Amino acid sequence: GENVEQHPSTLSVQEGDSAVIKCTYSDSASNYFPWYKQELGKGPQLIIDIRSNVGEKKDQRIAVTLNKTAKHFSLHITETQPEDSAVYFCAASRVTGGGNKLTFGTGTQLKVEL
Amino acid sequence: DGGITQSPKYLFRKEGQNVTLSCEQNLNHDAMYWYRQDPGQGLRLIYYSQIVNDFQKGDIAEGYSVSREKKESFPLTVTSAQKNPTAFYLCATEKQGGTEAFFGQGTRLTVV
Repeated sequence: GENVEQHPSTLSVQEGDSAVIKCTYSDSASNYFPWYKQELGKGPQLIIDIRSNVGEKKDQRIAVTLNKTAKHFSLHITETQPEDSAVYFCAASRVTGGGNKLTFGTGTQLKVEL
Repeated sequence: DGGITQSPKYLFRKEGQNVTLSCEQNLNHDAMYWYRQDPGQGLRLIYYSQIVNDFQKGDIAEGYSVSREKKESFPLTVTSAQKNPTAFYLCATEKQGGTEAFFGQGTRLTVV
């Protein structure tokens, strides 16, 4: 089955700096790569996703890049703000007509310091 | 007000007792999922269901059971056979043909 590794497990940045979180996956058939943000005591929320036919996707201060050959993808957050502090999870799946079983990374605790 | 409701938010049980966690949705989504979250281990899939009266085991189904009698509801029972049941449990839904998983607020189960 799929295996997703995520690094680093904790990341501390100064407000206004950039943050980068990296993930690798093992199943070359995976074609969907979402990123979720989880605030304390809440369920994860999708912040951005990318399909395997795209190399990069951007949404305001957030971007995701995908390297299919190397089987890794990264989350980039620019101009970080205190409200970006949360746990971030990457995931991978093979989207078929029969549902979307996500395999998650182990999470990155991001702390944005003033 | 559309969404996913997990109840209760906190649950305490004695070792050896079965306990059922509730997940209700009014998003009209076909697929529903149960994940377990432990510190440092991310989210792991327990069971999932794509249609009513059908469900499949995920990666860590041992010691758990589910039912899907209604589209809106996907309860999870943590049985006494689950060796380490203390965890944060998350229910998610997904519309047919979609990719985004929508999560509930979770239930923190503590077994003493």
